[in-house]
Amino acid sequence: EAGVAQSPRYKIIEKRQSVAFWCNPISGHATLYWYQQILGQGPKLLIQFQNNGVVDDSQLPKDRFSAERLKGVDSTLKIQPAKLEDSAVYLCASSLDFNEQFFGPGTRLTVL
Amino acid sequence: AQSVTQPDIHITVSEGASLELRCNYSYGATPYLFWYVQSPGQGLQLLLKYFSGDTLVQGIKGFEAEFKRSQSSFNLRKPSVHWSDAAEYFCAVATPSGTYKYIFGTGTRLKVLA
Repeated sequence: EAGVAQSPRYKIIEKRQSVAFWCNPISGHATLYWYQQILGQGPKLLIQFQNNGVVDDSQLPKDRFSAERLKGVDSTLKIQPAKLEDSAVYLCASSLDFNEQFFGPGTRLTVL
Repeated sequence: AQSVTQPDIHITVSEGASLELRCNYSYGATPYLFWYVQSPGQGLQLLLKYFSGDTLVQGIKGFEAEFKRSQSSFNLRKPSVHWSDAAEYFCAVATPSGTYKYIFGTGTRLKVLA
């Protein structure tokens, strides 16, 4: 069974630029999560999708972050414009139910 | 508000020694509880989980955890640590209502001495 795929694995941008991350969840998983993991901290949930509907985006900085889930499968997370404090690893996870989340390898973003 | 506390940022143990990583949570009822491990450059992998029933749960890689309701704790243990266990360990809770929102602790980085 293929795992959660994410790309790119690494990205370096200048502040005020925009960036997008892509996630392909495990086939059949209805729930998809995006987390931000700042160095030295635990993952923080940014947004949770159930199929292609948003069920929780309370911690998403909506003035600069946006996310969508196309046809209830792939998802993209965008930052526009990026700030220095957005430097982090962005993790995507998917789950069939609440029992277990399966995580992708993450995208490490560096904002200079 | 719900929260998860991992009081130990770093722990160093010798290979073959026993290990206990602490986790305390704050929630009005019993949440769902998880331990994840993250190796460098990798995503998180589930070690074990507790929803209800037997308070001692077994996981992968020889890990176990015990839920203690009176202490709001879910500590992770391993009787004999291997060098390959060096990683970062995260405790997480999921609040069993609606969307099962997950909250992660800040992690404990484990170093294993040969």
